[in-house]
Amino acid sequence: DGGITQSPKYLFRKEGQNVTLSCEQNLNHDAMYWYRQDPGQGLRLIYYSQIVNDFQKGDIAEGYSVSREKKESFPLTVTSAQKNPTAFYLCASSIPLGIRILKNTEAFFGQGTRLTVV
Amino acid sequence: AQTVTQSQPEMSVQEAETVTLSCTYDTSESDYYLFWYKQPPSRQMILVIRQEAYKQQNATENRFSVNFQKAAKSFSLKISDSQLGDAAMYFCASLAGNQFYFGTGTSLTVIP
Repeated sequence: DGGITQSPKYLFRKEGQNVTLSCEQNLNHDAMYWYRQDPGQGLRLIYYSQIVNDFQKGDIAEGYSVSREKKESFPLTVTSAQKNPTAFYLCASSIPLGIRILKNTEAFFGQGTRLTVV
Repeated sequence: AQTVTQSQPEMSVQEAETVTLSCTYDTSESDYYLFWYKQPPSRQMILVIRQEAYKQQNATENRFSVNFQKAAKSFSLKISDSQLGDAAMYFCASLAGNQFYFGTGTSLTVIP
């Protein structure tokens, strides 16, 4: 079945350590996104990528980094520079804007990763 | 800048009754799409309904329907015959350009 997979579901790290969250999709989507979800703040965009080897900063990119070496994969690294990394992280994918008028336009989401930094 | 505003942090509805969740948005794009997502306690984001801005007809999906007022930039979700399984956080979202924008969510409680 096609879908988007995030791993792990729960992640614990010590303060000051970098950590990488995995996101893989087999939907053949070009666009991929990372969101952070905190209580009362909805989903805030961290980074997004419209094509392999290209990505753009979202609204809260500071302290995060990404790579897009393959179409299927968009890993997010939470660095030690992120001041408040404990949160729920959601990865999503969608078809690119150019062909949306012919196909479903929504974002497909993974099940999320809960990161706790102690 | 694009914004999506949900002014109701919490709502409640009696089982089998109807409830309407509000959403307003702001975009400078002429081509955009609107969505309602449901996030149950599992935290999996589930698409409830989508609306293309170029379509005048309001979208419906079984018990879920929208009231899309393009001039007012309003996009409300109506849930009819509410069920216990409808209890969740609901997010309004817009797609304009290459980004999705989300509201802060409305937590819906269904009272048996």
